[in-house]
Amino acid sequence: DIQMTQSPSSLSASVGDRVTITCRASQSISSYLNWYQQKPGKAPKLLIYAASSLQSGVPSRFSGSGSGTDFTLTISSLQPEDFATYYCQQSYSTLRPTFGGGTKVEIK
Amino acid sequence: EVQLVESGGGLVQPGGSLRLSCAASGFTFSSYEMNWVRQAPGKGLEWVSYISSSGSTIYYADSVKGRFTISRDNAKNSLYLQMNSLRAEDTAVYYCARGTAAVLLYYYYYYMDVWGKGTTVTVSS
Repeated sequence: DIQMTQSPSSLSASVGDRVTITCRASQSISSYLNWYQQKPGKAPKLLIYAASSLQSGVPSRFSGSGSGTDFTLTISSLQPEDFATYYCQQSYSTLRPTFGGGTKVEIK
Repeated sequence: EVQLVESGGGLVQPGGSLRLSCAASGFTFSSYEMNWVRQAPGKGLEWVSYISSSGSTIYYADSVKGRFTISRDNAKNSLYLQMNSLRAEDTAVYYCARGTAAVLLYYYYYYMDVWGKGTTVTVSS
């Protein structure tokens, strides 16, 4: 299986900060990488697909980049509603899609 | 409104069985691939199973293969997960999620764009 490793596992930031989350794949996955946001007690929500394509309705402060094995999710100016856990997910292996361990973004 | 609503979760003893359902509305269910994804308490997301739009192609995670069975009834706009031989480690919130593919530069990129709110399965004696 393709292993997805996110870093950091948690971070503290203030409203207005620029936040960057990294996801690394154990093998090249081209651009087959998605990002999800999950708030406590809620279902995950798709933010970014194909590494850098913004899902409809998602604020433009969210952006994704990368290809191959290294990917980044950036929040350009953190808003109060962005405090959540973020997961990357590879879709390169359709038989075995796998998620990263998650990055919890907390209020500083 | 596009919606997925799971049901069927509950408390079951180890070795027992449970059948989860996912009711879809607001979109043409028969045109979409579907998935089950679970989340153990305080843990991350784990993909469980996939079924194609027609039901002809099915995949499972190794952790549930041989014990869980995914199926769908397109006439009833419903997805199912039959779970047998349940173990304590199957305790989780189970989400159904719609699979969608975007075509970019002739390549298909697959993602899960609609999720239900989840149903909780607890395996304990």
